[in-house]
Amino acid sequence: QVQLVESGGGVVQPGRSLRLSCAASGFIFRNNGMHWVRQAPGKGLEWLAVVWYDGSKKYYADSVKGRFSISRDDFKNTLYLQMNDLRVEDTAVYFCARLEGGDGYKGGALDYWGQGTLVTVSS
Amino acid sequence: DIQLTQSPSFLSASVGDSVTITCRASQGISSYLLWYQQKPGKAPKLLIYAASSLQSGVPSRFSGSGSGTEFTLTISRLQPEDFATYYCQHVNNFPYSFGPGTKVDIK
Repeated sequence: QVQLVESGGGVVQPGRSLRLSCAASGFIFRNNGMHWVRQAPGKGLEWLAVVWYDGSKKYYADSVKGRFSISRDDFKNTLYLQMNDLRVEDTAVYFCARLEGGDGYKGGALDYWGQGTLVTVSS
Repeated sequence: DIQLTQSPSFLSASVGDSVTITCRASQGISSYLLWYQQKPGKAPKLLIYAASSLQSGVPSRFSGSGSGTEFTLTISRLQPEDFATYYCQHVNNFPYSFGPGTKVDIK
């Protein structure tokens, strides 16, 4: 069965960096685009970033562009989110999700999600 | 960027009721709209893709409709496990965005 397991969250000071991981299993990882989505405490969902199935394209939300970087290692079946220059407003649960269908730009759906990992940015 | 609004933001209903949630897009997105259910402390669960297609394993009491800028999610005969927050999301172009959510609570 498809499983996505995030890790790497924790408490970090403003301005510092953190790298999140998302370990995938139960499907052919290199066949699917992958996304990161976050949810601040008590708030709604915010789409953050996507990496194409082959790693050739990446897109980011304006709120994280230039600070966060999405990547993947198809040998390890793992998705990453490198987060630099963290801000208090980056405090959230971070989810990874699999894209199924569509052409990468439009269509498809985020059909499987991990359980999330909490990142707290505080001095 | 495309903005999504949802109405109502909060809905109180009883088991057995039928409820409808509306999602409006700031510009046309064809049928590139998804609906999710989220329960506290859990990841979102995909209910509907392509505006009206039921995700595998999702009960048939959930249905979606619409295209362009206006979409609806209908839950017929609410069950106790349906009390949750519902989000729409467009997948028309980047950045993908979510609606602010609709919380369905027990009356």
